[in-house]
Amino acid sequence: AQTVTQSQPEMSVQEAETVTLSCTYDTSESDYYLFWYKQPPSRQMILVIRQEAYKQQNATENRFSVNFQKAAKSFSLKISDSQLGDAAMYFCARQGGSEKLVFGKGTKLTVNP
Amino acid sequence: KAGVTQTPRYLIKTRGQQVTLSCSPISGHRSVSWYQQTPGQGLQFLFEYFSETQRNKGNFPGRFSGRQFSNSRSEMNVSTLELGDSALYLCASSLAGGSRKLFFGSGTQLSVL
Repeated sequence: AQTVTQSQPEMSVQEAETVTLSCTYDTSESDYYLFWYKQPPSRQMILVIRQEAYKQQNATENRFSVNFQKAAKSFSLKISDSQLGDAAMYFCARQGGSEKLVFGKGTKLTVNP
Repeated sequence: KAGVTQTPRYLIKTRGQQVTLSCSPISGHRSVSWYQQTPGQGLQFLFEYFSETQRNKGNFPGRFSGRQFSNSRSEMNVSTLELGDSALYLCASSLAGGSRKLFFGSGTQLSVL
């Protein structure tokens, strides 16, 4: 099975500090996309950042950036200057030749004031 | 632009009943996907519709079905409900063939008693 693994069920960070969430994946496809989604208590899945596998440059979106290591099949999310509103479940996901997303089990992020 | 709208937000049913969930995608989006989210199994892909045709299907029993209308709105139906069908059902829409980004609704929380 082509899986996505998030090895950290829970993480915590102090407000204004930096935290990194880990994700590894398995795929036999050469062309795919990787995503980080955030799910706050409202339950809506919010797209945080997207990486296209054929691009070597790591994606960034304001305070959010990724470290994409294609050979190692690793895709970590770095949140800088953490804010209270960043507290949520974070899901890593892989998308191959269709619209289907394969999700990891998620990491619960707590931001301490 | 309005987001993905799912109705109803909450639903309580009893075993053996059937249920229909509705999803209105973002205007212009032609692909609609459905996901089931449970604490035990996480997020699992149910199916994807594009231009009224099912393009992809997850590993769920035939009790789970869906359809898409000409205006891209989609419905998901679960017949002969079981206790294990209790879950958050999330709908996502995308341009399909464009950015490949999926935008999610807030979900329908189904409780089967």
